[in-house]
Amino acid sequence: DQQVKQNSPSLSVQEGRISILNCDYTNSMFDYFLWYKKYPAEGPTFLISISSIKDKNEDGRFTVFLNKSAKHLSLHIVPSQPGDSAVYFCAASKRSGNTGKLIFGQGTTLQVKP
Amino acid sequence: DADVTQTPRNRITKTGKRIMLECSQTKGHDRMYWYRQDPGLGLRLIYYSFDVKDINKGEISDGYSVSRQAQAKFSLSLESAIPNQTALYFCATSRRGEGQETQYFGPGTRLLVL
Repeated sequence: DQQVKQNSPSLSVQEGRISILNCDYTNSMFDYFLWYKKYPAEGPTFLISISSIKDKNEDGRFTVFLNKSAKHLSLHIVPSQPGDSAVYFCAASKRSGNTGKLIFGQGTTLQVKP
Repeated sequence: DADVTQTPRNRITKTGKRIMLECSQTKGHDRMYWYRQDPGLGLRLIYYSFDVKDINKGEISDGYSVSRQAQAKFSLSLESAIPNQTALYFCATSRRGEGQETQYFGPGTRLLVL
């Protein structure tokens, strides 16, 4: 039972264009969402997060949008750069549980072409 | 120096062997986690610990055990390795309270069970 799903295993975009990575979740108790980025031979690194009380959070070139009614979040990267090529994981958490546990999606491999 | 380190980085073992993966952190965090990553499945939680006296099972704890020797050290053991435990293993840490969901990952251990 995959509670967090990233249905696109891969995405390829041209440098300078927008990258949109999508994530769906099934558990309405999730109230905090994160995106992690992973390069080969390295561990995932935190990128950006959003609380369920917001619908948008922006940090430089990265913006996360949350649609609670659709149980959907997306990560926008504008403009995309070759260094953004990596695997992106979305993750969800129930803050009320105070465990800090994360449920991860399967990941989407982004390739940004020069 | 890396804040979260894992040893070994790569390991090849045979079915039935006992192996231990080690994780150390200098971040001063209370909470530590072990995940495995498999292609198409993302990261799945094996065990987590909130302090030295606290150990909790994650989604997929069967076949694994852990030891929290100190606040900074968290080891994962495979008592009798089997081929379907071939995966990439990550250790992660987080602090208690605000920001607890932001986990910091080690570089990973690539394990091959023959």
